[in-house]
Amino acid sequence: GENVEQHPSTLSVQEGDSAVIKCTYSDSASNYFPWYKQELGKGPQLIIDIRSNVGEKKDQRIAVTLNKTAKHFSLHITETQPEDSAVYFCAAQGGGSQGNLIFGKGTKLSVKP
Amino acid sequence: EPEVTQTPSHQVTQMGQEVILRCVPISNHLYFYWYRQILGQKVEFLVSFYNNEISEKSEIFDDQFSVERPDGSNFTLKIRSTKLEDSAMYFCATLGSSYNEQFFGPGTRLTVL
Repeated sequence: GENVEQHPSTLSVQEGDSAVIKCTYSDSASNYFPWYKQELGKGPQLIIDIRSNVGEKKDQRIAVTLNKTAKHFSLHITETQPEDSAVYFCAAQGGGSQGNLIFGKGTKLSVKP
Repeated sequence: EPEVTQTPSHQVTQMGQEVILRCVPISNHLYFYWYRQILGQKVEFLVSFYNNEISEKSEIFDDQFSVERPDGSNFTLKIRSTKLEDSAMYFCATLGSSYNEQFFGPGTRLTVL
């Protein structure tokens, strides 16, 4: 089955710097890769996603890149702000467009003011 | 973005007791998912439910677990005889209007004593 690895487990940056989180997946059939932000005591919130027919997607300060050949995808956050501090999870979807999500272990991002 | 509410927000139970966790999505959704997150760990898939039937389930979803949609709106997860290791956050998710996207509820924190 699918396996998703995520690095780093913790990331600390200064406000205004960029943050990059990387994930790899094992199943070449996976074709949908969402990123979730989870704040303390809350459910995961979908912040951006990418499908396998696209190499990059951007939404304001957030961007995601996908390398299908290498089976890795990354989240890029520019001009980080303290409110970006949270745990970020990458995921890969197997089993079709309604298939379950396989999550990485998460990255705790701390943005220092 | 679909709204998903979950009740209760926190459930404390004794080992061996039955618990029912509830998810109330916007009506007319056909796809539902249950995930769990043990404290400090990644989100894990339990089961997906489509058109009143189980679509997929993970190894975690053993005979102690069951799901149903008893009244056409609420979507429930039942754990028949809770174990200490069932202590976790349980999230319900629904499929968004856009292909693939899964939106998570706020979760129910289950504590088994």
